[in-house]
Amino acid sequence: EAAVTQSPRSKVAVTGGKVTLSCHQTNNHDYMYWYRQDTGHGLRLIHYSYVADSTEKGDIPDGYKASRPSQENFSLILELASLSQTAVYFCASSDWGGPSQNTLYFGAGTRLSVL
Amino acid sequence: SQLAEENSWALSVHEGESVTVNCSYKTSITALQWYRQKSGKGPAQLILIRSNEREKRNGRLRATLDTSSQSSSLSITATRCEDTAVYFCATNNNAGAKLTFGGGTRLTVRP
Repeated sequence: EAAVTQSPRSKVAVTGGKVTLSCHQTNNHDYMYWYRQDTGHGLRLIHYSYVADSTEKGDIPDGYKASRPSQENFSLILELASLSQTAVYFCASSDWGGPSQNTLYFGAGTRLSVL
Repeated sequence: SQLAEENSWALSVHEGESVTVNCSYKTSITALQWYRQKSGKGPAQLILIRSNEREKRNGRLRATLDTSSQSSSLSITATRCEDTAVYFCATNNNAGAKLTFGGGTRLTVRP
């Protein structure tokens, strides 16, 4: 079973503070993704990466940075957290070839509340 | 606007009944995926159907794809209470790397 682990599982942050969400996968997958989910809504892609040391912008990258220091690890960074970034964040990984051929395996999510 | 959208926000059925969730999308795709998300969990893939396929099955689940009308359906037969979840369709455009999710259909299966 593919494994994607997110930390922390929940976090409360103050407006204007810096937040780092971490993701670790043991699947040996090339692709990793960060999505956000607002209550009652679908998932929106923030950033993704298909190789270490490189990241790509997704559909809603503003206010977020991403870092992929190794194949296994992918971080999402909120330099100046804002109230509008309160959401559940999901990390996912998929094998070489991406979603046209492969399943995305999701972590359990990180619930972020910005106060 | 979203590249993929489910056509119903919520559905409710009794256990044992069949149900179909529909999805429409807006771009050329190489594949369409169906995911299920149970409360408090991350999404889990149910079926991946490629653009050259018309139907795919996985146990009680059956997905269809009609590229001419840019639509897909996911049917669940003999529903169980544990099928209660939000169901998403997701597509990638021909660029391949980005998977875009619809807003989801909340299915409730009642005893």
